[in-house]
Formats: sequence, structure tokens, C-alpha cells
Amino acid sequence: QVQLQESGPGLVKPSQTLSLTCTVSGDSINSDTYYWSWIRQPAGKGLEWIGRIYSSGRTKYNPSLKSRVAISLDKAKNQFSLTLSSVTAADTAIYFCATYVAHDDYFDYWGQGTLVTV
Amino acid sequence: QSALTQPPSVSGSPGQSVTISCIGTSSDIGTYNRVSWYQQPPGTAPKLIIYQVTNRPSGVPDRFSGSKSGNTASLTISGLQAEDEAAYYCTSYTSNSAFDVVFGGGTKLTVL
Repeated sequence: QVQLQESGPGLVKPSQTLSLTCTVSGDSINSDTYYWSWIRQPAGKGLEWIGRIYSSGRTKYNPSLKSRVAISLDKAKNQFSLTLSSVTAADTAIYFCATYVAHDDYFDYWGQGTLVTV
Repeated sequence: QSALTQPPSVSGSPGQSVTISCIGTSSDIGTYNRVSWYQQPPGTAPKLIIYQVTNRPSGVPDRFSGSKSGNTASLTISGLQAEDEAAYYCTSYTSNSAFDVVFGGGTKLTVL
């Protein structure tokens, strides 16, 4: 069973960079089973896919965020991270990390989520 | 605006059945059997309840069932219980190369 835990600052100033980390337990970041993913949810609204990274380091991002977002792996710590630059109030949301099962196409494990306020 | 269209809200009384629709296109639901559904009670993370249109993960009650016809997927919850009150989201694989997955806007289920 995979467990995911988000961590990072809960408050970010406008124009600065949001940085979050997802710590993975129960599986290795090197696993080729998953795309390691980030999803966010503004208060009272729906889910928005931010992007994902594969164990090879290959990434894909939501086109609406692509110019500001980066996802990376830290294999030594079994973590993956999200950075979002030039944030505005519109980036205020709960940020979730999740595992997306490659080739079967569903999210099977989710972190509890972390609120980031800009 | 979400890529998949869901009704904003549905409701039902305990013991009844409700169905939530998720309308896509031939680039996603219409072509691929890669539809999944998630349940999100208030203040919690989404939880997978249906994957690949009809499959239930271990531990999900068989009151939850999924189906698909053409470009529309559906989630049916039978024998409604108070604990089913939550938001429900559909997703689908898409052939749009810019994305891996597209989401529905979510449906709030109220158990009367």
C-alpha cells in the first residue's frame, strides 16, 4: 500500500514561488508502475490536473500552467516535488499528490492534501 | 470549464438509487475504456471507487457500479446511505497529447 504525504509552506506571497514535496512510502519512486502526479483544488471547486513525472524523469504539464510549473524527483529521499512560479491569488488551493497508474489510467493513491494560500 | 461534463448536483433518499452522468467526446470516453470515478467527502482527499469503467477496487461496496454508452459514462449508487453524501468526480484517458487525463467538474450528492 502506497502512502503519500505533502509538505511545504502554507502561505506564499504573490509573485513568489510555491514549493511542495510529496514523500512516498510503500513503493519506490523508481517504480515504473506510476506517474507521480500533482492535482489541485481551489476552495469549493473541482479538481485540476497540474502535471506528472515518470521514474525516467519524463514530465508532462497542464498547458495552462506549463510556463510556471516544474515537477522533479529526489530518488535518494523517495520524494517528488512541485514548484509553481509567479503565483497569484488564483493559485490558492489544496494541493494533492497522487499516484497515476501508468497504462491503466487512474489515480489509486492520494495524499491528504495541503492548503496553500497566496 | 472542465473537459468532461457532470451535473452540478443530484439528490436521493436513503435506500434509493441515483445515477451521475459524465459526458465526454470521441477523444476520451467514446473511444477508451479508461473512465474512473472518485468520491470526495467534505474535507477529505478523493478516493477511487471505480476504474476502467466498471471495476471496483477492493473494499468498495458493490452498491457502486459504473457503465458507459457512447461518449457518456455513468456512476450508479444503489441503496443510498447517509455516508454516500459527497462530491463525485469522473476522469478519462484522453488522446489529446497535451494531457494524460481529463476531469469532470464534479457532482455533489445530497442524501435527503
